[in-house]
Amino acid sequence: DTEVTQTPKHLVMGMTNKKSLKCEQHMGHRAMYWYKQKAKKPPELMFVYSYEKLSINESVPSRFSPECPNSSLLNLHLHALQPEDSALYLCASSRLTGSYEQYFGPGTRLTVT
Amino acid sequence: GENVEQHPSTLSVQEGDSAVIKCTYSDSASNYFPWYKQELGKRPQLIIDIRSNVGEKKDQRIAVTLNKTAKHFSLHITETQPEDSAVYFCAASRGTGFQKLVFGTGTRLLVSP
Repeated sequence: DTEVTQTPKHLVMGMTNKKSLKCEQHMGHRAMYWYKQKAKKPPELMFVYSYEKLSINESVPSRFSPECPNSSLLNLHLHALQPEDSALYLCASSRLTGSYEQYFGPGTRLTVT
Repeated sequence: GENVEQHPSTLSVQEGDSAVIKCTYSDSASNYFPWYKQELGKRPQLIIDIRSNVGEKKDQRIAVTLNKTAKHFSLHITETQPEDSAVYFCAASRGTGFQKLVFGTGTRLLVSP
């Protein structure tokens, strides 16, 4: 299995809602990533987990809260988002030794109203 | 921090022609340079990558060259086909373990039949 899965595919939420994005991989990768991608722009790194520990937070606002409950799962909890947070949220995973290739999930298209 | 510039932003070619996309990076410690292809509405997919101890790498119609002295790397696609039409992103990162990828701004490649 060389796939990263993400749910939901689409999410519409109001600014007062709380929602979560989910990412899963079963490739035994011990690094997992969250990226944000706006239309016609490259992916921008938000968070990196290594061995289930948060290794990088790219100064992301606290209304985004990541969680890595185990080596296969990565969540992104959303609260009090702003319309400008509307974007495609991509999850990726990679090994920590050998190949550096990051495998991306299909993304969650988030719209904040 | 790392900064990656990518040119051109759009590239139109006829089927069968070659296409070249160029990137420059700023951090001389960067040692990993992947290229991702992203079709409309799809996830980024790695098409080729190169590490700093290698000057060139080829995979069928795709090749990447790296000039560490000049801090630039290029993607070469030969015998282009309409299905090569997509947005291509270069990226750079440093170190070992998890990779903090910094992406270029992307090149929209259009291959006309």
